[in-house]
Amino acid sequence: DVKVTQSSRYLVKRTGEKVFLECVQDMDHENMFWYRQDPGLGLRLIYFSYDVKMKEKGDIPEGYSVSREKKERFSLILESASTNQTSMYLCASSTPGAGGKTQYFGPGTRLLVL
Amino acid sequence: QKEVEQNSGPLSVPEGAIASLNCTYSDRGSQSFFWYRQYSGKSPELIMFIYSNGDKEDGRFTAQLNKASQYVSLLIRDSQPSDSATYLCAVDPSNTGKLIFGQGTTLQVKP
Repeated sequence: DVKVTQSSRYLVKRTGEKVFLECVQDMDHENMFWYRQDPGLGLRLIYFSYDVKMKEKGDIPEGYSVSREKKERFSLILESASTNQTSMYLCASSTPGAGGKTQYFGPGTRLLVL
Repeated sequence: QKEVEQNSGPLSVPEGAIASLNCTYSDRGSQSFFWYRQYSGKSPELIMFIYSNGDKEDGRFTAQLNKASQYVSLLIRDSQPSDSATYLCAVDPSNTGKLIFGQGTTLQVKP
């Protein structure tokens, strides 16, 4: 069964803190993605990775960085959290092979920055 | 023009009716199309995907592609209140696995 897990369901941080969001998948997928989802704005791609140690910017990378040291783990880092980064963060993974490159999502982390 | 567009709704249908959700896409070369369902406060879950070579039926759900008009539809037969959710359409225009999502259509099924 497909499984993507995220380290926290809810997180409260203060402005200026460094925040780490972890995502782990157990499907041996090559591709991993980080999105944020806000009302009225839909899913917006922050960063993605097609392989270990590889990363590519998505549509809204400013204020974020990522790390992929192992195939199963993709971390999103907020270098200095700001209130406008309060959002739902979703991680997803997929395989480039057969199956239409379906993305499977984790449960999400709802981040509140005070 | 947005790459993937959906009417945000809400689309309201009575229980037992057919719900029809549509999505238009701009890249004519797109070959993979996905429908996700997202309940409030939850993450998206895949309903089905189709390739450019044909439609697909899975239980009460049917996905149809109209390549000439560049839209993809999701039909839900015998709609149930539990189908009430936001439905996201996604397209893979570059065939790289980087999906482009629409903003979603909210469906309300009234008992």
